[in-house]
Amino acid sequence: GNSVTQMEGPVTLSEEAFLTINCTYTATGYPSLFWYVQYPGEGLQLLLKATKADDKGSNKGFEATYRKETTSFHLEKGSVQVSDSAVYFCALSGAAGNKLTFGGGTRVLVKP
Amino acid sequence: DGGITQSPKYLFRKEGQNVTLSCEQNLNHDAMYWYRQDPGQGLRLIYYSQIVNDFQKGDIAEGYSVSREKKESFPLTVTSAQKNPTAFYLCASSIEGAGRRNEQYFGPGTRLTVT
Repeated sequence: GNSVTQMEGPVTLSEEAFLTINCTYTATGYPSLFWYVQYPGEGLQLLLKATKADDKGSNKGFEATYRKETTSFHLEKGSVQVSDSAVYFCALSGAAGNKLTFGGGTRVLVKP
Repeated sequence: DGGITQSPKYLFRKEGQNVTLSCEQNLNHDAMYWYRQDPGQGLRLIYYSQIVNDFQKGDIAEGYSVSREKKESFPLTVTSAQKNPTAFYLCASSIEGAGRRNEQYFGPGTRLTVT
């Protein structure tokens, strides 16, 4: 079956540091890949997505590239802010409709 | 504004009681989903519905029930058979389309505490 593995947190950074959160997946066929963000006590918000190999999703300074050869979708941001403190989830949608398979989430804490 | 609403935000119940969580969407989405989130963990799919009057079990359906009588509503009942009901419950919806894999939009969640 489908699975998503992402690095465990927490990841603690200083403001303006570079952020990378690793995400790898296992899936049959050609899944779509997503990054969601969850702020404390809230639901999930879609951060970015990519639907085919070599696509780059980007939003709010975050980027991720769909790498089929390495089955990865790592999230990056060049300069984080305190407001980026949240839990980040990598997810995939496989061949069967829009059902999502989530990774375990990575908590990011950015200190001023 | 279009979106997904879940009510209430916090819910407290005594053990042995059934409780129903509300989820409403005005996005005109065909598909709706219920997830459970435990502290420090990812999301697990409870039930989903791709069309009115039809729904399927997800990975952890035992102890839960749903209905989909209207396109915009997908209530979840946590029954007394659910052994560990205390959790954060998230509802989501998506556009359904053959061969398309669309993102899901999430509501703000309901935190259920059973004592």
